[in-house]
Amino acid sequence: DTGVSQDPRHKITKRGQNVTFRCDPISEHNRLYWYRQTLGQGPEFLTYFQNEAQLEKSRLLSDRFSAERPKGSFSTLEIQRTEQGDSAMYLCASSSTGTEIYGELFFGEGSRLTVL
Amino acid sequence: AQKVTQAQTEISVVEKEDVTLDCVYETRDTTYYLFWYKQPPSGELVFLIRRNSFDEQNEISGRYSWNFQKSTSSFNFTITASQVVDSAVYFCALSEAGRDDKIIFGKGTRLHILP
Repeated sequence: DTGVSQDPRHKITKRGQNVTFRCDPISEHNRLYWYRQTLGQGPEFLTYFQNEAQLEKSRLLSDRFSAERPKGSFSTLEIQRTEQGDSAMYLCASSSTGTEIYGELFFGEGSRLTVL
Repeated sequence: AQKVTQAQTEISVVEKEDVTLDCVYETRDTTYYLFWYKQPPSGELVFLIRRNSFDEQNEISGRYSWNFQKSTSSFNFTITASQVVDSAVYFCALSEAGRDDKIIFGKGTRLHILP
């Protein structure tokens, strides 16, 4: 199955350390989204890409967060100088463009970050 | 600003009962899309349905049905004859298509179907 895959699935780090998450979308999908989900909450939009272009960034994405999608394939989300408030599940989703399938996001299983 | 409100945090019903999950949205746009997603205990969100702002027809898919009413800015989801496998967290979402295409989710309703 070539669904959306995320790596690592779990990451425990100490406050102040940098972490990087990787997302491999479904190969034919040109859109890629990053969301953050905390316990009991819905996914919060962070950013999204169309091909390699980052089209939108949430105000939630502080200067410590950066996302890239080189060559329009996989994407990375880096968090620098992690804080305990960064502890969450980081979700990646991908989709195709096109009216008939608009908004049908395919989500990965997420990368859970715990900052001690 | 776009906003999705799911007032019901948690609902429990006995199997075979019908249950309706409420969703109220806010948007400045006349062109927008509404969605429902399901997050089962395994964790992966799954797309259920999309509705655009110009199509107010209700939709039925098996035991699932959706009621879209622009007059009340609501997009409610009904499960008929609920089953234990329906237990999950359900999210309503909104996208102001043509503005920035980001999809905003509500906080979700956790549904427990009791055997």
